[in-house]
Amino acid sequence: GEDVEQSLFLSVREGDSSVINCTYTDSSSTYLYWYKQEPGAGLQLLTYIFSNMDMKQDQRLTVLLNKKDKHLSLRIADTQTGDSAIYFCAEMGPGGYNKLIFGAGTRLAVHP
Amino acid sequence: NAGVTQTPKFQVLKTGQSMTLQCAQDMNHNSMYWYRQDPGMGLRLIYYSASEGTTDKGEVPNGYNVSRLNKREFSLRLESAAPSQTSVYFCASSDVGLNSPLHFGNGTRLTVT
Repeated sequence: GEDVEQSLFLSVREGDSSVINCTYTDSSSTYLYWYKQEPGAGLQLLTYIFSNMDMKQDQRLTVLLNKKDKHLSLRIADTQTGDSAIYFCAEMGPGGYNKLIFGAGTRLAVHP
Repeated sequence: NAGVTQTPKFQVLKTGQSMTLQCAQDMNHNSMYWYRQDPGMGLRLIYYSASEGTTDKGEVPNGYNVSRLNKREFSLRLESAAPSQTSVYFCASSDVGLNSPLHFGNGTRLTVT
């Protein structure tokens, strides 16, 4: 079945780059997503990438997609304390209707 | 513009009690979803409603029922709560289209003792 895996924790120094990695199993996924969850809040869409793209850049965020290895990464440049949150990778589940399959989430801690 | 509103924010139930989690969206979205979030497991889909008048099971529907009351509202009911249903519940909505993002509420933290 479909599965999305992420490492659970990442700690970086303020100003450094953060790279959060994700692997997925469904090669037919058309879209892959990154969501951000701040404490006590729901998830917010950060960015997404269409499966025919290798890379997408949006200000400080860079998404890389390796379809052969089913590997997705999110790079945050110049990481700030406000970036501390849980980051979820998600792929489109079967049957459409935006039924997303989420990874367990990576908790990013940014320290001075 | 409130987005997706969930009530209550917190709830404690005893085993066997019932309750309904409420969700409403004001974005005129067709699709609505209920997810549960457990530590180390990400979010898992309980039920979804592709459009008003339809509901379908997700990955973990057992122990839950849903009602799509109208286009705005999608409720989740626990008929007989169990400790395994202790979780944070998120409602979400989305427009039609593959790249239409999910918009999430702030969640309901439910504890079943």
